[in-house]
Amino acid sequence: AQKVTQAQTEISVVEKEDVTLDCVYETRDTTYYLFWYKQPPSGELVFLIRRNSFDEQNEISGRYSWNFQKSTSSFNFTITASQVVDSAVYFCALTSGGGADGLTFGKGTHLIIQP
Amino acid sequence: SQTIHQWPATLVQPVGSPLSLECTVEGTSNPNLYWYRQAAGRGLQLLFYSVGIGQISSEVPQNLSASRPQDRQFILSSKKLLLSDSGFYLCAWSPIGRNNQPQHFGDGTRLSIL
Repeated sequence: AQKVTQAQTEISVVEKEDVTLDCVYETRDTTYYLFWYKQPPSGELVFLIRRNSFDEQNEISGRYSWNFQKSTSSFNFTITASQVVDSAVYFCALTSGGGADGLTFGKGTHLIIQP
Repeated sequence: SQTIHQWPATLVQPVGSPLSLECTVEGTSNPNLYWYRQAAGRGLQLLFYSVGIGQISSEVPQNLSASRPQDRQFILSSKKLLLSDSGFYLCAWSPIGRNNQPQHFGDGTRLSIL
């Protein structure tokens, strides 16, 4: 069975601080895909990034960066110079390489950026 | 471009009443379709997924059912709602047969059971 753990239930930082959201996953599949989604207060889920199990390169997109480490089964997400608009619930998710199975989500981390 | 529509946005129903939530996708053919539920303060739980018309896979035994009468239409139903059915229901789609592609979500339906 697959499992995603986001141990940080809520994080509160002051604007412009850097913040890292942790994600640890469990799977027996050798091919799998990891995702991060953002859920703002309005409720919709916004796709941020996808990473496959064969690609351990870190990725940077503007103020966002992702650190994928298979050795520790982690896929952490860092926001640099946080802004109030980054306030949201962030979900890490996992799916296997075969078929069209749905995503296994972590419970999410509520990020609060204070002005 | 592809779009996904979900309705209604908000619904208040009494215990024991039926339910029908609808989701449609535009701009693509043969999508994979999904229903998730998010209980208050919790993560998202996969309820059903479908890879084609009439093909429904259920992940969690419960008071709900799903149907896919048309290629781009996915319906979530219940004959008799329970208090525990309250939550935020999200429909999602992804390209057919490609599990590595991200799922794209609708705006969700907030369901309150009284």
